[in-house]
Amino acid sequence: SQQGEEDPQALSIQEGENATMNCSYKTSINNLQWYRQNSGRGLVHLILIRSNEREKHSGRLRVTLDTSKKSSSLLITASRAADTASYFCATSPQTGANNLFFGTGTRLTVIP
Amino acid sequence: DAGITQSPRYKITETGRQVTLMCHQTWSHSYMFWYRQDLGHGLRLIYYSAAADITDKGEVPDGYVVSRSKTENFPLTLESATRSQTSVYFCASSDYSSGTFHQPQHFGDGTRLSIL
Repeated sequence: SQQGEEDPQALSIQEGENATMNCSYKTSINNLQWYRQNSGRGLVHLILIRSNEREKHSGRLRVTLDTSKKSSSLLITASRAADTASYFCATSPQTGANNLFFGTGTRLTVIP
Repeated sequence: DAGITQSPRYKITETGRQVTLMCHQTWSHSYMFWYRQDLGHGLRLIYYSAAADITDKGEVPDGYVVSRSKTENFPLTLESATRSQTSVYFCASSDYSSGTFHQPQHFGDGTRLSIL
């Protein structure tokens, strides 16, 4: 399977704290993407980082990518109760196919 | 409103029945995708389509049929439903017309399908 794996599977923090989620993958990639899924809803794209980029920021989100270790991390700073959701990484492989391979997700709970 | 819509949101059917899940997008995105989401497996790709009349298999295509006669629609059919196909199904679209892979996918809110 080309799926990535997120770590941890579940994370519970207090509001205002930072949340870090990690993703490991197996194949060479064009880019890696992070998505959020609220309960009962579809996935929402958060950020895309290309294979030649090492770090990217978007608001309170910071994503890093280490292609030598085939890993990525998503940092959410100053978390809010509204950040409670599942977070998925998805990789776009270098095989030429326009597909994404999703990990199994990290369930984040932010306690008010 | 622009976006991607799936119907129905919930469906209960019996084994052996045929069921079709609908997906419609208003962006004229070239690519459309069908995924299933199961606990412990994340999202797995069933089929995808690069354009009207062009479809291809994903990771778990067995038991499913797709068609794409119009750019905006991408229905998924379970020809003879089995209990193992009980899942949440998501449709997505993406605009790869610029020739780059660096595009996000946009998801519908899913269809929760139960097969008894």
